[in-house]
Amino acid sequence: GAVVSQHPSWVICKSGTSVKIECRSLDFQATTMFWYRQFPKQSLMLMATSNEGSKATYEQGVEKDKFLINHASLTLSTLTVTSAHPEDSSFYICSAPDRRKTDTQYFGPGTRLTVL
Amino acid sequence: GQQLNQSPQSMFIQEGEDVSMNCTSSSIFNTWLWYKQDPGEGPVLLIALYKAGELTSNGRLTAQFGTTRKDSFLNISASIPSDVGIYFCAGLDPGTASKLTFGTGTRLQVTL
Repeated sequence: GAVVSQHPSWVICKSGTSVKIECRSLDFQATTMFWYRQFPKQSLMLMATSNEGSKATYEQGVEKDKFLINHASLTLSTLTVTSAHPEDSSFYICSAPDRRKTDTQYFGPGTRLTVL
Repeated sequence: GQQLNQSPQSMFIQEGEDVSMNCTSSSIFNTWLWYKQDPGEGPVLLIALYKAGELTSNGRLTAQFGTTRKDSFLNISASIPSDVGIYFCAGLDPGTASKLTFGTGTRLQVTL
């Protein structure tokens, strides 16, 4: 199956700093990527849709200025958590549908963010 | 956001037993996907269903797309220890360009 990677796999930062997470599709192109967050023992909740060449679309209740998304190319989307606080600690996962078959999505391995 | 309801929420079974879980929604979907997530990792796609009534197998896994398009079922036959994990169903919203709605998850524990 298609491969999606994320970097870093985990990060620990101090409160108030910003953290950037990368999501790459390794063997296919994706005009759209999705960012999810997952709290312990809970399901995945969609945060935003990243669109190549245009602005991201955010789900209700997700702060645009706090979670900056940039879809720089057909294989890369980045999520920047600005001025991170302990409540932002979570597991962040991206996904990408293969442009050739948009009804099937592939997920990255996730990034564990811990804000001290 | 909206979530799909999965049942059971968790289950403990013995190795070799068969497992059944289901997923229900208040709205219809055109595509149902089943994922497995291991601790600390992203979900891995198990089976994709594209048509109402469709029955699809992947090894010991069999999934069905409900005829009403509001539910789906996953069966695992002859469970083994590596089946342990959380299973999520996901529905693809029609007309929303690949946007998925996830189920609440079923946590599976397998004992020897």
